[in-house]
Amino acid sequence: AQSVSQHNHHVILSEAASLELGCNYSYGGTVNLFWYVQYPGQHLQLLLKYFSGDPLVKGIKGFEAEFIKSKFSFNLRKPSVQWSDTAEYFCAVTNNAGNMLTFGGGTRLMVKP
Amino acid sequence: NAGVTQTPKFRILKIGQSMTLQCTQDMNHNYMYWYRQDPGMGLKLIYYSVGAGITDKGEVPNGYNVSRSTTEDFPLRLELAAPSQTSVYFCASSRGTWGETQYFGPGTRLLVL
Repeated sequence: AQSVSQHNHHVILSEAASLELGCNYSYGGTVNLFWYVQYPGQHLQLLLKYFSGDPLVKGIKGFEAEFIKSKFSFNLRKPSVQWSDTAEYFCAVTNNAGNMLTFGGGTRLMVKP
Repeated sequence: NAGVTQTPKFRILKIGQSMTLQCTQDMNHNYMYWYRQDPGMGLKLIYYSVGAGITDKGEVPNGYNVSRSTTEDFPLRLELAAPSQTSVYFCASSRGTWGETQYFGPGTRLLVL
């Protein structure tokens, strides 16, 4: 069965620290990869996505993610976090076989000012 | 353009009661989804619809029913509420299939006692 793993459930960082959130998936074939974010009190919204092409994807608010096919990974990164990045982050994956979007368990990020 | 709206925001139910969670989107999207979010478990797909009159089961459909009589509305029905249905419910919509960006509503927090 398809699955998505986010190994870090809670992350606490100070402002200006670098961020990397892990995401690993188990899927066959060509995949479509997403990171969604839920800021406190707000809707879940798309941060970035990868369909094909350059494996390094840039999203909103300075976030980026790298698709490494050999490692089945799509880690989210940001060089310098801000207090406003405090949120819950979800990795999600589907594939071109038409499988439904599968979400990871989420990572709660707290950035201390 | 309100996007995806959900009502109510919060509800307490007694075991065995029934209720309908409302979801409306004004983006003329064909695809609509219902997810539930439990702590540390990410989002699990309950039901989805690919257009008016067409619905299908997701990963966790037991205890729920849906209908899609119009493009805009996708209500979720709980017939006999159980404590295991205590969760946060999110409705989402997308223009196309699984690889498209999904747009989420604000969620409905349901407590079954």
